[in-house]
Amino acid sequence: GIQVEQSPPDLILQEGANSTLRCNFSDSVNNLQWFHQNPWGQLINLFYIPSGTKQNGRLSATTVATERYSLLYISSSQTTDSGVYFCAVEGGADSWGKLQFGAGTQVVVTP
Amino acid sequence: EAQVTQNPRYLITVTGKKLTVTCSQNMNHEYMSWYRQDPGLGLRQIYYSMNVEVTDKGDVPEGYKVSRKEKRNFPLILESPSPNQTSLYFCASTPAGRLLLEDFGPGTRLTVL
Repeated sequence: GIQVEQSPPDLILQEGANSTLRCNFSDSVNNLQWFHQNPWGQLINLFYIPSGTKQNGRLSATTVATERYSLLYISSSQTTDSGVYFCAVEGGADSWGKLQFGAGTQVVVTP
Repeated sequence: EAQVTQNPRYLITVTGKKLTVTCSQNMNHEYMSWYRQDPGLGLRQIYYSMNVEVTDKGDVPEGYKVSRKEKRNFPLILESPSPNQTSLYFCASTPAGRLLLEDFGPGTRLTVL
C-alpha cells in the first residue's frame, strides 16, 4: 500500500505563532484529507484536498499531487489548536475505499 | 442530531471472550469503516463497507469480523480477543461518492487482559 509520512512528529508552539505540517506519500492518490484529533480524542475532518489549495479560517492546506506531498498551515496558533494532526490518503483505482493514515504530528500550543 | 454512535465507550475484557462493538449512524450514509488507533501508528483501517452487504478488508483485518445488514449499523466483532487487540477503536461514515470522512464516532477504548 501507499506509505504516508508526516513531519515533524512533534511541534511545540507559542500562542500566536505560525507553523507548517507536512505529509509525504509514496504514490499517486485519489483523495487526501487532513484531520485534527483534539486532546479529548475527538476526530474532526479539516480538509478534503487531493490537489490545490484550500483555506478555512486560520488553517489552510496545499497539496501538490505531482510531487506527492501536502502541507497544512496553522496561522496565529491558539491553545485550541493543540492535538494530533493526521493526513490520510486513498490510492489508485484498486484501493477505492481504503484509507492510509500517517502517524500524525503532535502539536502543543502554549499560552 | 446527526451523529455516529459507538457502544460501549470503554470495555475491559479477558482473552477469548467474544465481544461486539456497535456503530450506528443516522445520516443515511452509504460508506462506513472501522479503524484502530495505537500510539505512534496513527489510525489503521480494519474493515470498510461501501454499502449494505458489501464489506472489504482494510490494512489490519486479522482477528476481526464485520457485517452490514442494514445501512445504519456496522458492528465490529472480535470472536476471540487477544491482548494485541487492546486499542482505541473508531467508526466513521460518509455519503456515497465522496470519500470524505465527515463523521467519526467518539471512540471505544478496549482493553483485553
